[in-house]
Amino acid sequence: DAKTTQPPSMDCAEGRAANLPCNHSTISGNEYVYWYRQIHSQGPQYIIHGLKNNETNEMASLIITEDRKSSTLILPHATLRDTAVYYCIVRVGGSQGNLIFGKGTKLSVKP
Amino acid sequence: DVKVTQSSRYLVKRTGEKVFLECVQDMDHENMFWYRQDPGLGLRLIYFSYDVKMKEKGDIPEGYSVSREKKERFSLILESASTNQTSMYLCASSNIAAVGGTQYFGPGTRLLVL
Repeated sequence: DAKTTQPPSMDCAEGRAANLPCNHSTISGNEYVYWYRQIHSQGPQYIIHGLKNNETNEMASLIITEDRKSSTLILPHATLRDTAVYYCIVRVGGSQGNLIFGKGTKLSVKP
Repeated sequence: DVKVTQSSRYLVKRTGEKVFLECVQDMDHENMFWYRQDPGLGLRLIYFSYDVKMKEKGDIPEGYSVSREKKERFSLILESASTNQTSMYLCASSNIAAVGGTQYFGPGTRLLVL
């Protein structure tokens, strides 16, 4: 079973920031937080990951709370092409095994 | 950029046919994975491979086999296709040296078994 909890759906206005929350209250000290997204009828796409510190890349920012029990993925200027299902996953760093995808959050970016 | 390609986007096969799904990655990744994705069930791991000629069963290997003769290529084989194997099949690869082993996915193959 997925070790994360996400809202099933969210809406965001085009051009505004999209903030997607994720709860992972049972996360272990050696587990990373990963975010992937899946646009309709395509394969999942890696977005970002982090352990303790906040992370930023060209796609998004990841904010992890100090107790690491929750995190937020931020898309700073959402576009219509960001409409997708966003998955938050926790897993041990360096592990070779599979990813366990939960149900994710369906983000709808509206004009 | 990492590129993972799959041989077909859409396939239609008949019950009992042998089906080959091919996956190729161009980043010299050690690990490769085959998942299937079904509505309400999420992604489920079928098989994965750590290296050439090595394979490990995932969560749902029944009815499937795999082949990894070259590092860049990982094939999924349905020995005798059945209607309950109608699904979206996703291939992924990862670099064992990368922190967390971020997986990169192909575009998927949507298989319909009649």
